[in-house]
This record gives sequence, C-alpha cells and structure tokens, in this order.
Amino acid sequence: GIQVEQSPPDLILQEGANSTLRCNFSDSVNNLQWFHQNPWGQLINLFYIPSGTKQNGRLSATTVATERYSLLYISSSQTTDSGVYFCAVFKAAGNKLTFGGGTRVLVKP
Amino acid sequence: DSGVTQTPKHLITATGQRVTLRCSPRSGDLSVYWYQQSLDQGLQFLIQYYNGEERAKGNILERFSAQQFPDLHSELNLSSLELGDSALYFCASTKEAGGYEQYFGPGTRLTVT
Repeated sequence: GIQVEQSPPDLILQEGANSTLRCNFSDSVNNLQWFHQNPWGQLINLFYIPSGTKQNGRLSATTVATERYSLLYISSSQTTDSGVYFCAVFKAAGNKLTFGGGTRVLVKP
Repeated sequence: DSGVTQTPKHLITATGQRVTLRCSPRSGDLSVYWYQQSLDQGLQFLIQYYNGEERAKGNILERFSAQQFPDLHSELNLSSLELGDSALYFCASTKEAGGYEQYFGPGTRLTVT
C-alpha cells in the first residue's frame, strides 16, 4: 500500500517562530488533507489540497503532486498551534485515507 | 465543530466485553468511515459505508463489525474486547464515496481494563 512519511517527527518552537512540516508519499494520490490534532484529541481539518497552494490565516500548504510531497507552513506560531499535525492521502483504489505518523509540535511562550 | 457527532466520548470496559460506538454524519453526507488511533499503530482505516452499503474494508478485526442505518448513522461493534483494543475511535463523513474531504467526529476513547 501507499506509504506516507512526515518530517520532522518532533518540533519545538518559540512563540512567533515560523516552521515548515513536510509530507512525502510513495504513489500518486487523488487528494491530500492536513489535520491538526489538538491536546484533547480532536482532529481538525486544516487543508484539502490535492495540488497547488492554499492559505488560511497564518497557515498555508503546498502540494506538488508530480513530485509526491506536500508542505505545511506555520507562520508566527502561537501556543495554541501545539499538537500533532497529520498529513493523510486518499487513493481511489483503496478508498480510504492513509495517514502519516504525524509531526508533534510544541510552541513555547 | 465538524458537524459529525460520536457517542459516547469515553468508554471504560473489561476484557471480553462487547461495546457499540455510534456516529452521526454531517447533514447530507452519505458516506461514513471508521478509523482507529492507537499508540503503536497510529491512525488506521477500519471500514467505510456508503448509503447503507459496505464499500471498503481496511485493517478491521473479525471481532469488529459495523453497519450504517437508513437514517445514515453508523455503529461500530467491538466484541470479545482485549487490552490492545484500547484506542481512540474516529468516524468521518463525506458527501459521496470517493476522494472528497473527510470531516472527523470528536472520537470515542475506549479503555479496556
């Protein structure tokens, strides 16, 4: 099946810093989603981004489908950005989302 | 709030028991997916239903089963529970089957003692 790898596995940031999270996938996909899992365990949709670039406030994402990777940018990080960020890809053949291992982010005040 | 609801939020039960987790999709969504998140396996797909019919199966144990009812809510039944079944169980919904954006419920945290 398709493999999804996220890097780095852990990230510690000072409040106000910028960062980039990466997601690599091993095969062509039909769509890609980024999620934030907050400390209460809830999975919050950030982006639905099969290709191209999208922005939402301080967050933006870029997917280069032909090169099989996606990037999530966090700018001017805040303590509320702490949590685990997951990338998940959907391939029609499997009819499911396959998740990466996540990047655990801690933003310190 | 994603619009997907799951009950109960927490469940503590003993080994060998059976439990039922419930999910109501977003209004208008026809497809429901179930996922399991455990410390050692990460987030894994279990099963998908579309408009009452099973559409895809993932790493779902034979002790687990699911169904989707005519009102489109879904239930995941877990039986003969083992300690290793302790996990966070999520349901997600989409408007159609296929690669549409999936919206996740808040999850049910199951603890098997």
